[in-house]
Amino acid sequence: AQSVTQPDIHITVSEGASLELRCNYSYGATPYLFWYVQSPGQGLQLLLKYFSGDTLVQGIKGFEAEFKRSQSSFNLRKPSVHWSDAAEYFCAVKGRRALTFGSGTRLQVQP
Amino acid sequence: DTEVTQTPKHLVMGMTNKKSLKCEQHMGHRAMYWYKQKAKKPPELMFVYSYEKLSINESVPSRFSPECPNSSLLNLHLHALQPEDSALYLCASSQDLRNSGANVLTFGAGSRLTVL
Repeated sequence: AQSVTQPDIHITVSEGASLELRCNYSYGATPYLFWYVQSPGQGLQLLLKYFSGDTLVQGIKGFEAEFKRSQSSFNLRKPSVHWSDAAEYFCAVKGRRALTFGSGTRLQVQP
Repeated sequence: DTEVTQTPKHLVMGMTNKKSLKCEQHMGHRAMYWYKQKAKKPPELMFVYSYEKLSINESVPSRFSPECPNSSLLNLHLHALQPEDSALYLCASSQDLRNSGANVLTFGAGSRLTVL
């Protein structure tokens, strides 16, 4: 069965600081991995996805993620966080049964 | 058109009411999904339709009844709900159900349901 673990429930960073959100997955085959962002009361917006090829993928809003098969990880990074990045971030793996989400990481940005 | 549109945005209903949530997409997608999201939790899959046929039902109580009248529309009929059913209901669509790189789920903004 597929599963996703986001070990950090809540992260606070200062505006302008770098950011890394952790994601570990469990899936028997080649995983299709995603990061989505959700602002309060809103739907989910796709930030980036990994299917195959280059293990460093670029997304929208200056985000990138690196797929590391040996560590079963797909961590999300941003070099300089903006106040508007404050939101909930979900890592997800797509298998036979649609998307399975991690529990999410809430990002707060301090001025 | 690259959007999934959900109506209504907010719905308040009593436990004896019958109401429906609607979802529409015009991207030519043939797979559509309902997810339920409780506060501070990740979305949980409820139903999946593929080519207008129910493909996955994640053991959802019968008080939730999905319907896919055509390839662009997905409804969720609600009857005799409980207060614990209050949540954000998210609709999504994808090209189809093949587990391929082209199949990205596009989500709507959600319908926030409150059951009194």
